[in-house]
Amino acid sequence: QQQVKQSPQSLIVQKGGISIINCAYENTAFDYFPWYQQFPGKGPALLIAIRPDVSEKKEGRFTISFNKSAKQFSLHIMDSQPGDSATYFCAASMESNYQLIWGAGTKLIIKP
Amino acid sequence: KAGVTQTPRYLIKTRGQQVTLSCSPISGHRSVSWYQQTPGQGLQFLFEYFSETQRNKGNFPGRFSGRQFSNSRSEMNVSTLELGDSALYLCASSWGWQGEQYFGPGTRLTVT
Repeated sequence: QQQVKQSPQSLIVQKGGISIINCAYENTAFDYFPWYQQFPGKGPALLIAIRPDVSEKKEGRFTISFNKSAKQFSLHIMDSQPGDSATYFCAASMESNYQLIWGAGTKLIIKP
Repeated sequence: KAGVTQTPRYLIKTRGQQVTLSCSPISGHRSVSWYQQTPGQGLQFLFEYFSETQRNKGNFPGRFSGRQFSNSRSEMNVSTLELGDSALYLCASSWGWQGEQYFGPGTRLTVT
């Protein structure tokens, strides 16, 4: 019940296309859902995060869509650029336990 | 503001030896989390310290241990190293409540 399932494991998208990464969770007590971006040789960095009181959050070309009833959330990258090529991790946590539960990661490659 | 620093950045050890890794969090951050990252295994949570107390612990054997000092700096120790311990060890700091974790660049440990 503590797991966060992330898919796909890898994704290749043409430049200018939309990249979509999905995550699903079981524990309805989760109330914080961040996405992290990791470039090779670097630690992950927070990209965008959402709480379950909203269904969507947009920051520039990055959007989180959140479906509370389906217990799913997804990251959309619009107008994908080669510089977006990285590994993306979703995660979840609950206020009573600060530990982040991580998805397995998605390696995104944007083809020029 | 200085980011999270980890030392050393690279380390080569022999099976059976022990190793100590160090992490200096962002000034003011009281929570430090440690992760093991290997290709195909994503981010595996080791433990989290808050104000010198271990608050959360992942599913790793007792050979993995950590501590946090009064200045929030943290160390993790791995005893009796095994080949499978070869990984990138990441440290992340945060204010201590649910929110963004700031990651260091990691320590690349190779066990031969």
